[in-house]
Amino acid sequence: EVQLVESGGGLVQPGGSLRLSCAASGFTFTTYWVTWVRQTPGKGLEWVANIKQDGSDKYYVDSVKGRFTISRDNAKNSLYLQMNSLRAEDTAVYYCARDGFHNGIDYWGQGILVTVSS
Amino acid sequence: DIVMTQTPLSLSVTPGQPASISCKSSQSLLHSDGKTYLYWYLQKSGQSPQLLIYDVSSRFSGVPDRFSGSGSGTDFTLKISRVEAEDVGVYYCMQGTHFRTFGQGTKVEIK
Repeated sequence: EVQLVESGGGLVQPGGSLRLSCAASGFTFTTYWVTWVRQTPGKGLEWVANIKQDGSDKYYVDSVKGRFTISRDNAKNSLYLQMNSLRAEDTAVYYCARDGFHNGIDYWGQGILVTVSS
Repeated sequence: DIVMTQTPLSLSVTPGQPASISCKSSQSLLHSDGKTYLYWYLQKSGQSPQLLIYDVSSRFSGVPDRFSGSGSGTDFTLKISRVEAEDVGVYYCMQGTHFRTFGQGTKVEIK
């Protein structure tokens, strides 16, 4: 069974940093892209970033470029999202997901809440 | 950036009746490889999104055949042939031709 479990969310002040982690199991992690998607009540679902199997290619939505960094550790079957210079508009539930690239995002974690507020 | 626009934003359906959701993209989703990367998801209350349809019209593993997808270019449709109570939730389209963009969602409820 494919499982993706996020951790590391919470409350952070504007301008602060947070690192999300995602532990993957139930599939061969090294053969898939993995992705972060966030969801806010006002803006719905927004793809944030994804990373290739070996970490050589990474892509970001414009609104997080230069502030967020996606990475992976294939030895630990783990995905990460380092979020710096956080803004109120980054407040959302963040989902880790398996990304089949052109086969779409097919399995999602349960999501973790990030709140940016003073 | 590709903008995805869904209509309607909400839908109330009698069980056993059909339902249809439209998704239009701001530019063609035909990829240079000749394929079109359009997906449909259902997010039930309190749950993560689940993949229903990939590549416009292919049903994902375990998805009932009452769900079907169609379309090309910029216009796409998700159809439910006979809505069941378990189909309630918010449906999203997503393009995968140029990175990923989601539609704003269509809330489906039972009358």
